This record gives sequence, C-alpha cells and structure tokens, in this order.
Amino acid sequence: GAVVSQHPSRVICKSGTSVKIECRSLDFQATTMFWYRQFPKKSLMLMATSNEGSKATYEQGVEKDKFLINHASLTLSTLTVTSAHPEDSSFYICSARKQGDYGYTFGSGTRLTVV
Amino acid sequence: QKEVEQDPGPLSVPEGAIVSLNCTYSNSAFQYFMWYRQYSRKGPELLMYTYSSGNKEDGRFTAQVDKSSKYISLFIRDSQPSDSATYLCAMSDGIGGSGGSNYKLTFGKGTLLTVNP
Repeated sequence: GAVVSQHPSRVICKSGTSVKIECRSLDFQATTMFWYRQFPKKSLMLMATSNEGSKATYEQGVEKDKFLINHASLTLSTLTVTSAHPEDSSFYICSARKQGDYGYTFGSGTRLTVV
Repeated sequence: QKEVEQDPGPLSVPEGAIVSLNCTYSNSAFQYFMWYRQYSRKGPELLMYTYSSGNKEDGRFTAQVDKSSKYISLFIRDSQPSDSATYLCAMSDGIGGSGGSNYKLTFGKGTLLTVNP
C-alpha cells in the first residue's frame, strides 16, 4: 500500500527558533498533500492544503507566515513552523492519496515541543 | 451544529465483545466515508472505506452507511486488546483527481476504545 513518511517524529526546540517538518510520499507521486494539527484527545484539524508547484491553501485562522509550506516536488512537502512559541507545541500530521487508492494515507506524525 | 458528530467516549469493553462506533453528519454532499484507527502518538491508519450507502465487511470489521439518516457505523466483532485505540470517522464529498486528491476530509472527534483482556 501507499506509504507516507514524516520526519522527524519528535522535535524539541527553543522558543523563537524555526522547525522544519518533512512529508514524503515514498511509492507514489502526490500533487496534493494535507497538513493537520492535533491537540491531545482532540480530532485532526486541517491546517492547509499543499499543492505541488503552487502556493498552499490555508484554512481560516491559520497564519500563513507562521506555518510556511513548500511543496517543491511531487514526493515532498515541508511545513516550517517559524518563530515557534510554546503554544505551537502540538502533534503535526501530513497525508496524501495515491491515485487509485480510496482512502488517504497519513504520516506517522511529528510531536513538536517548544520550550 | 458541527458537520460531523462523534461520541468521544471513552468506551471500555471486555475482550470478545462486539463494539459499535457511530458518527452522524449534516452535509448531504458527503459521499465517501472512512474509518481510521489511531494509536497513541501515531498517525491514523485507514481501516474501512465506503462509497455512498451500504455495508462493507473486512474480517472482523463492518462499516455501514445510511445516507438517508446521515449516519455511519463501524462494528468490530470479537474485539481484541490490540483494537484499543482511537477510532475516527472521516468523510468527503469527492475523492478524484490525478496524481492525488484535493478533496478535504472532515473528521469526527474520535472515540477512544479500550478492550480489556
């Protein structure tokens, strides 16, 4: 089946620094990838839709300048949390759909802790 | 009213029990319905996928969709401790597109299930 790899799985950073999270589709090409954020015991909240070769589409209330998304190739999308603050601490997950598959495949998630 | 409603539980059952998980929704445009299982601190994994109304069975899992009632269910037979996880329903009004898909998924809150040995 389709595989989406996400890296790193866990990161701790200091307040004010930036953190980059990578999402790769290992065995398929994805023109579209999705980035979610999940708080403890809460559902997934869609942050943005990443489009290869064009600008990402952000959901209402998500700061574009804080959460930079780059989808430079058909197998890689990156999410950069800029000037991170403790309130950005969360579980970030990406997903994509392999053509021909019915469901979406999710990465294993990245737990970000800002101290 | 939220687009997708799901009882967060928690739900605790003994091993071997039949588990019933449900979601209701308000958007009649939804046509594709999925159930995901999420273990703690992991990404969700797709369990079941159903298009439009009807039933689908896969091993111990059965998914049902009743579009007239805007109600979907997931049944787990002979539940095992390894089934302990959060179960999320998800739905969308489309799935197509070459090289991927730009149809968004709308998720329920998830139901935390514990199967006790």
